[in-house]
Amino acid sequence: DSGVTQTPKHLITATGQRVTLRCSPRSGDLSVYWYQQSLDQGLQFLIQYYNGEERAKGNILERFSAQQFPDLHSELNLSSLELGDSALYFCASSVEGTLGEQYFGPGTRLTVT
Amino acid sequence: GENVEQHPSTLSVQEGDSAVIKCTYSDSASNYFPWYKQELGKRPQLIIDIRSNVGEKKDQRIAVTLNKTAKHFSLHITETQPEDSAVYFCAASMGSYYGGSQGNLIFGKGTKLSVKP
Repeated sequence: DSGVTQTPKHLITATGQRVTLRCSPRSGDLSVYWYQQSLDQGLQFLIQYYNGEERAKGNILERFSAQQFPDLHSELNLSSLELGDSALYFCASSVEGTLGEQYFGPGTRLTVT
Repeated sequence: GENVEQHPSTLSVQEGDSAVIKCTYSDSASNYFPWYKQELGKRPQLIIDIRSNVGEKKDQRIAVTLNKTAKHFSLHITETQPEDSAVYFCAASMGSYYGGSQGNLIFGKGTKLSVKP
């Protein structure tokens, strides 16, 4: 167990819908990263938050957004869902005082039908 | 931006043999290189990492080497066991000890390792 939690584990929804994925980092970790894992694209970085502020953006679509709350949990919002958004979504938190050692949550498997 | 290439994409070895997975990176500013093991449907698990000021690091049967000049790093697993079977990912980032720096990981495409008993 990495100490990073994610809910829900599985999500099945229809095209055009909107969903919210939730992540709680390890105790003491201030940075949260979101990654998308699909069969053809591998593990891709989406976005990073640090102590409530956006720090870096990767290949995140405009239909996707995220935020980090004062209690440091983070939410990833996916809207106008398309079939191609079906993937595993992981969040990770990094250990303060290291060069960025990251521990991953169990992931949310999103299926868009 | 950074690009990480990983080879081979699949690797099959006999139990007890060694396995080597190689990665190259493009950005000389990258300074942190972790390796993750991922079993089917599960989270990537950090198994070992190396910083750019170190050439080699070992942890029991696992070792990682880094050649900064050539911009490549490798994972070595000795005395492989069936439970080593998984997908292994290398990654690179421009890490910093400063909290909140951009330390997002750029991953290779993964290597599926099969260890035959």
